[in-house]
Amino acid sequence: NAGVTQTPKFQVLKTGQSMTLQCAQDMNHNSMYWYRQDPGMGLRLIYYSASEGTTDKGEVPNGYNVSRLNKREFSLRLESAAPSQTSVYFCASSPGLVSYEQYFGPGTRLTVT
Amino acid sequence: AQSVAQPEDQVNVAEGNPLTVKCTYSVSGNPYLFWYVQYPNRGLQFLLKYITGDNLVKGSYGFEAEFNKSQTSFHLKKPSALVSDSALYFCAVRDGRGSTLGRLYFGRGTQLTVWP
Repeated sequence: NAGVTQTPKFQVLKTGQSMTLQCAQDMNHNSMYWYRQDPGMGLRLIYYSASEGTTDKGEVPNGYNVSRLNKREFSLRLESAAPSQTSVYFCASSPGLVSYEQYFGPGTRLTVT
Repeated sequence: AQSVAQPEDQVNVAEGNPLTVKCTYSVSGNPYLFWYVQYPNRGLQFLLKYITGDNLVKGSYGFEAEFNKSQTSFHLKKPSALVSDSALYFCAVRDGRGSTLGRLYFGRGTQLTVWP
């Protein structure tokens, strides 16, 4: 099993450009998450999907949109990138929402100039 | 509001000595507590969790954590540190109820360095 995979690994965007970060899991998990990690800030939840067909905002959703394409895939879209969105983005999945640990992908390092 | 505090940005310990990484939390309901480890340029890996039951939780790689409800703490411990334990450690908490049910709140992380 590959676990949680993310593409791309690295990306450089100019301010105003758009892009979609892809995430897929092969563990048949119901719940999926997108986080951003900034130095000294820990991880902050952007959006999550409790199950296929549902999505909810996390702590820092502004400037992002998500799509739960099917049970396996959960994408994050930046419609108009800003320098403040320079960060490392992690996707994660878990069997359910509450008592389960999350499994993380390797991350996407995004720089917006 | 839910929150997690890791009061130490860095912890340094000699190999073979015991280590403690501190974590305190705040939730409005019953806490669900987690510890994760992150090695350089990698995603987070799960170490252990407390949901209910015994206050001493054992996890991967010889780590354990003690849940203390009165002190709202969940400190990570290991009896004998290894150089390979050097990494960034995150504590996280989830509230077991309410409108933010699905959210996991992370601390800012503690960099553990174990020197030979």
